[in-house]
Amino acid sequence: DAGVTQSPTHLIKTRGQQVTLRCSPKSGHDTVSWYQQALGQGPQFIFQYYEEEERQRGNFPDRFSGHQFPNYSSELNVNALLLGDSALYLCASSFVGEDYGYTFGSGTRLTVV
Amino acid sequence: KNQVEQSPQSLIILEGKNCTLQCNYTVSPFSNLRWYKQDTGRGPVSLTIMTFSENTKSNGRYTATLDADTKQSSLHITASQLSDSASYICVVNISNFGNEKLTFGTGTRLTIIP
Repeated sequence: DAGVTQSPTHLIKTRGQQVTLRCSPKSGHDTVSWYQQALGQGPQFIFQYYEEEERQRGNFPDRFSGHQFPNYSSELNVNALLLGDSALYLCASSFVGEDYGYTFGSGTRLTVV
Repeated sequence: KNQVEQSPQSLIILEGKNCTLQCNYTVSPFSNLRWYKQDTGRGPVSLTIMTFSENTKSNGRYTATLDADTKQSSLHITASQLSDSASYICVVNISNFGNEKLTFGTGTRLTIIP
């Protein structure tokens, strides 16, 4: 039973560029949440998707956008990259209404130069 | 001020020794509290999950306690092993009108030395 899969594992981009990160949820899960984790910090909530719609959003600018597909997979898009966007981006999946089911992927390490 | 605070920020102990990590939180309404282990550059892995009505939960050598009145939790690790070296993150799940959101602490960096 595959867990949460994220791609790519590592990525290097230049300031001003755009990036797309991908997440496939654990089998049976229908909700995807995205987190940004700077080095030495705890993860910060970006947004959550359920039924192909953004359900909740953290304190992140509009440069951060997302999408969820009918198969529950999700993408995180970041436009106009800044050096400060360098971080580990984590995807977590769960089943709506089931508190206990959060499963995290291994993350995508984004470096902006 | 972070809504989930952990202490100590970092800890170094000898292999085989026990240790206790602390978590204080102010978030509400509170649904459940989780402890995660995160290896460097990897995603967090769940160790324990407790609702507000649970006082203690064990997972092998890991034992978590929760005092919902004082809003404090601890994670006790017994007979530490080198593989326990990681960051341990306390996470509070806020449940508000059916919407859930995880609020993370900044973690305790634990290093086990032989």
